[in-house]
Amino acid sequence: GAGVSQSPSNKVTEKGKDVELRCDPISGHTALYWYRQSLGQGLEFLIYFQGNSAPDKSGLPSDRFSAERTGGSVSTLTIQRTQQEDSAVYLCASSSYREGKGGQYFGPGTRLTVL
Amino acid sequence: LAKTTQPISMDSYEGQEVNITCSHNNIATNDYITWYQQFPSQGPRFIIQGYKTKVTNEVASLFIPADRKSSTLSLPRVSLSDTAVYYCLVGPRDSSYKLIFGSGTRLLVRP
Repeated sequence: GAGVSQSPSNKVTEKGKDVELRCDPISGHTALYWYRQSLGQGLEFLIYFQGNSAPDKSGLPSDRFSAERTGGSVSTLTIQRTQQEDSAVYLCASSSYREGKGGQYFGPGTRLTVL
Repeated sequence: LAKTTQPISMDSYEGQEVNITCSHNNIATNDYITWYQQFPSQGPRFIIQGYKTKVTNEVASLFIPADRKSSTLSLPRVSLSDTAVYYCLVGPRDSSYKLIFGSGTRLLVRP
């Protein structure tokens, strides 16, 4: 079946502009996660959704970052007034809470470059 | 989350078996051990998960001793396409738990 998809695959923006990143999880997956990965670094957790609610937002680096999820499916990560340090690959993952098998399934990521 | 320690890098040749060991001395009773693989410019891919003894799937085997303070990911007969970074994670099985990746082990498979 279809995996996790993300759009756009690449985004170049100017410092100070707002950007929106989209994630389409695997159908039926109730849990959704956003991470980011800077060049040569490990994954940095941003936020976790269970259904449409976000019980863990602890990884959002500042109030310029926000995310929402509607209909228990698509999620959007918004970065306002982008800064150069926001440049990274933003990864979305989903998992089936009911499976209990563990493991998150990742999308291909959105590479964000802030000039 | 239990802290994990794994080698920074490993080299191998095509056709060999590769074993990557991860130390997790502070693993909790309800923690599982999960391994992910990541290729450059791609998101991580779930490989295998286990709690104790041995787990095998079509991709790899995971060996966990009785004290669970370490685990070994075994990749049989590696190919060039297995060149990637491999991450060991320890935490509750419930997949709602956020993943915290360390630096991982960079595996280079040579022809």
